[in-house]
Amino acid sequence: GQSLEQPSEVTAVEGAIVQINCTYQTSGFYGLSWYQQHDGGAPTFLSYNALDGLEETGRFSSFLSRSDSYGYLLLQELQMKDSASYFCAVNAGNNRKLIWGLGTSLAVNP
Amino acid sequence: DGGITQSPKYLFRKEGQNVTLSCEQNLNHDAMYWYRQDPGQGLRLIYYSQIVNDFQKGDIAEGYSVSREKKESFPLTVTSAQKNPTAFYLCASSSLAGNTDTQYFGPGTRLTVL
Repeated sequence: GQSLEQPSEVTAVEGAIVQINCTYQTSGFYGLSWYQQHDGGAPTFLSYNALDGLEETGRFSSFLSRSDSYGYLLLQELQMKDSASYFCAVNAGNNRKLIWGLGTSLAVNP
Repeated sequence: DGGITQSPKYLFRKEGQNVTLSCEQNLNHDAMYWYRQDPGQGLRLIYYSQIVNDFQKGDIAEGYSVSREKKESFPLTVTSAQKNPTAFYLCASSSLAGNTDTQYFGPGTRLTVL
């Protein structure tokens, strides 16, 4: 089957750096995406990696290693508002349908 | 403003009743998706559509039906055959152009079956 694995929970303090890992086993691979979802809200797109390497967008960066079937989301200078669930998702085929991880709940404490 | 709207935000129904959830987008996206999310869980795909008058089953289509008569609209009907319909339902859309898979989500409908 096709699956994505990410930690269920991560805790950090304000101002710190946290890394959320995602490993995937899929029949194909076109790209790895990251989404943020606050409690009761809808997921919002954060970043996308199709090629190996690091993509930086402000305080958030995302990394991909296709040979290792692995990626991570790096959140720097954590703020309380970063407390949310973070999902990785893979497009495993050319139909743009995404396979989703179960999400990582990030708690940022003062 | 461009975006996706879902209505209603909260919906209560009695067991055995069919209910239709609305999803409209004005982003001119070709593809639309319906997901179900249960507490503490990820997103599970119910149905998706990449073109008008065509749609495909996702991973948990049983007990649900959809239609795609217009590009902007992708309503989801939760039928009485769905054994456990209480959940948070999310609609999303994406462009099939370009090289990213970005999906844009509506605010969701929280369905409670009594």
